[in-house]
Amino acid sequence: SQQGEEDPQALSIQEGENATMNCSYKTSINNLQWYRQNSGRGLVHLILIRSNEREKHSGRLRVTLDTSKKSSSLLITASRAADTASYFCALGNTGRRALTFGSGTRLQVQP
Amino acid sequence: DGGITQSPKYLFRKEGQNVTLSCEQNLNHDAMYWYRQDPGQGLRLIYYSQIVNDFQKGDIAEGYSVSREKKESFPLTVTSAQKNPTAFYLCASSIDSGGMGNQPQHFGDGTRLSIL
Repeated sequence: SQQGEEDPQALSIQEGENATMNCSYKTSINNLQWYRQNSGRGLVHLILIRSNEREKHSGRLRVTLDTSKKSSSLLITASRAADTASYFCALGNTGRRALTFGSGTRLQVQP
Repeated sequence: DGGITQSPKYLFRKEGQNVTLSCEQNLNHDAMYWYRQDPGQGLRLIYYSQIVNDFQKGDIAEGYSVSREKKESFPLTVTSAQKNPTAFYLCASSIDSGGMGNQPQHFGDGTRLSIL
């Protein structure tokens, strides 16, 4: 499959805890992106990590990329109820003229 | 504020009817995309356009058609040939058509299409 596979499919945590979700893939990539989707809304771009980068931070988000294992992880620290959403990884590759999205992780943060 | 506007938010289609979903962006982006999302699923690419008057089929183009007559607009028509059109449709855009697979995409808030 050319798309990323997110794991777990669903995650439920308490407010204040950290949330980690993973994305594995099989193709070569130029970059990997993470998006958030609130229920019934469009996707919002969170962070882009290039294939020559290993880690990036943005606020409470930390993304890692291991190209040897073809995997990425998204860590949300000190989660809030407002983080409740679905999170998708998307693969960027100039051989394909558009991003390829995985099926997402549904995160529920309990207040 | 710059962004992508999709309309209508909800749309109902009768059997044998074509319907058109609107997507307008004022971000001055070259590339635009249409995705289909089924419940609990990821996004599947229907069509994309790198530049005005040019568009390419994505993974699930059958039963759909598009046009790109203006940079700002990329309407999607769901034809009667699409036998299972009930889904959430998302339009997106990105800068720099030269490397579309590498650019962050900006999304509209979607149109939910149902069959009457």
